[in-house]
Amino acid sequence: NAGVTQTPKFQVLKTGQSMTLQCAQDMNHNSMYWYRQDPGMGLRLIYYSASEGTTDKGEVPNGYNVSRLNKREFSLRLESAAPSQTSVYFCASSELNSQETQYFGPGTRLLVL
Amino acid sequence: AQKVTQAQTEISVVEKEDVTLDCVYETRDTTYYLFWYKQPPSGELVFLIRRNSFDEQNEISGRYSWNFQKSTSSFNFTITASQVVDSAVYFCALTPSSGSARQLTFGSGTQLTVLP
Repeated sequence: NAGVTQTPKFQVLKTGQSMTLQCAQDMNHNSMYWYRQDPGMGLRLIYYSASEGTTDKGEVPNGYNVSRLNKREFSLRLESAAPSQTSVYFCASSELNSQETQYFGPGTRLLVL
Repeated sequence: AQKVTQAQTEISVVEKEDVTLDCVYETRDTTYYLFWYKQPPSGELVFLIRRNSFDEQNEISGRYSWNFQKSTSSFNFTITASQVVDSAVYFCALTPSSGSARQLTFGSGTQLTVLP
């Protein structure tokens, strides 16, 4: 099992460009999440999907959209990238049972010029 | 609202020393989970431990041990006989145990450097 995979690993964008970050998990988890990690601030939740067909805003949703394509895949879209969105983006998944552990992908490093 | 505080921004120790990473949390939930994650220089986030708020029994796993004290809202992590490979950023995190999805609230992390 690959666990949680993310593409691309690294991306450089110009201000105003758009892009989609892809995430897939093969653990049959119901819940998926997108976080961003900025220096000195830990990880902050952008959006999450409790189950297939549902999405909700997290702590920092502005400037982003998400799509839960199916149970395996959860994408994050930047419609018009801004330098403030330069960050490392992590996708995670979890199952709604007594364990509650979130497992993370390797991250996507995004630089917006 | 939930909050996780890791007051130690950076810690540096010499190999074989013991080191404790502090974590203090705030939550209004009566039941919750606490986690420690490790982020080595390669950048991935590695799950280390999960603790249910009902379970205050402390645990030892090899060189790692955890001290959960609900009365002081603390969940500290100790590495015994540290090694260079323990050098990483360590994150403490909190999530409620009810609700439609488990949103993790992270602390800002503690950079641990173990010197040879």
